[in-house]
Amino acid sequence: DQQVKQNSPSLSVQEGRISILNCDYTNSMFDYFLWYKKYPAEGPTFLISISSIKDKNEDGRFTVFLNKSAKHLSLHIVPSQPGDSAVYFCAASAKYQTGANNLFFGTGTRLTVIP
Amino acid sequence: DTGVSQDPRHKITKRGQNVTFRCDPISEHNRLYWYRQTLGQGPEFLTYFQNEAQLEKSRLLSDRFSAERPKGSFSTLEIQRTEQGDSAMYLCASSLAGGNSPLHFGNGTRLTVT
Repeated sequence: DQQVKQNSPSLSVQEGRISILNCDYTNSMFDYFLWYKKYPAEGPTFLISISSIKDKNEDGRFTVFLNKSAKHLSLHIVPSQPGDSAVYFCAASAKYQTGANNLFFGTGTRLTVIP
Repeated sequence: DTGVSQDPRHKITKRGQNVTFRCDPISEHNRLYWYRQTLGQGPEFLTYFQNEAQLEKSRLLSDRFSAERPKGSFSTLEIQRTEQGDSAMYLCASSLAGGNSPLHFGNGTRLTVT
């Protein structure tokens, strides 16, 4: 049962334009959301996060938007650069009583930024 | 480099053999996680340690899998009697305790069972 869904397996964007990556989730208990970037032969690298009490978080060229009522979040990259080409994973966190932040990941979206 | 380190990077083994992977987390992180990633999927949670205590285990972690973190620093993941379905990327991550500290992942160990 996929609790975090990324319905677009791939996205191509021209350099300098905006990249928008989307993510939907089903579990209303999720209280923290993250985006990870993954290059081939490397582990996922943390990019940006947002708490469920916020609707927007910005870090340089990266902005994450959260719409709790729609159970939807998106990652905006402006302007897109060729080095942004990677697989992007959306993840949602539900806390265990033990304090563990168990992350549930989507299946990823491969972003290609065309020079 | 003070990131999460995993060894080996690649492991090819015959079905039925035992394998062991090692993870060295970021030194000040007391939380350590193991995840598994198969082709076309995102990482899936296997188990979690706070210091040396294994506090959570996924139902994905069958009896053939065992993880340890004996001194609260490095961790090992052992798979006994490997099966072809165990072929995957095994990722280790660590984080600080408290709040919503992001997980920092290593580069993984890719296991191929022939």
